[in-house]
Amino acid sequence: QVQLVQSGAEVKKPGASVKVSCKASGYTLINHEIYWVRQAPGQRLEWMGWINPGNGNTKYSQKFQGRVTITRDASANTAYMDLKSLTFEDMAVYYCARNFRGLDPWGQGTLVTVSS
Amino acid sequence: QSALTQPASVSGSPGQSITISCTGTSSDVGAYNYVSWYQQHPGKAPKVMIYDVSDRPSGVSNRFSGSKSGNTASLTISGLQAEDEADYYCCSYTTSSTVVFGTGTKVTVL
Repeated sequence: QVQLVQSGAEVKKPGASVKVSCKASGYTLINHEIYWVRQAPGQRLEWMGWINPGNGNTKYSQKFQGRVTITRDASANTAYMDLKSLTFEDMAVYYCARNFRGLDPWGQGTLVTVSS
Repeated sequence: QSALTQPASVSGSPGQSITISCTGTSSDVGAYNYVSWYQQHPGKAPKVMIYDVSDRPSGVSNRFSGSKSGNTASLTISGLQAEDEADYYCCSYTTSSTVVFGTGTKVTVL
């Protein structure tokens, strides 16, 4: 079945970077855009950016412009989200999702904890 | 890009119908028929309930329906059931090729 499996939880210090992976199975990654969405504790969903895995084109939320980079490795059927210069406000669950008939499916989420 | 505006909470008794509104602008909700709705239970990943304003994915109950008028989209849940208690988010594509989510609505089944 179609699913997205994300990498495990991360603990980072302020100022560090984090890279989260999102491996697709049951379909070919390059056929559909991948979106990245985060959710801070008790807060709403927040869109970060998307990638067209077919050509590598990306679009980022203005809020994260310059700090986030979304890439893909088509041979590994995997997308990545790299967020740098982490602050305590970046502590959240990060999700990837396929853009097909809405965002479907979603990955299981990756908790990123920022702690000194 | 500001978040789309949703009521913080909506409640109803089992069997009743409720409607959640999602208000945006002519640059997002009003611009395209690319509004989707997501259900999220605590500690779980969101699940798509409606896409392209009113289309329902296979496997989603027909008790869920969507519509749009101008800059406001709506999600209606009819025949409210206990398992419908969750957070709901709307989402829209924008004229800047970005995406914006709503503020979220907590649905309580009384």
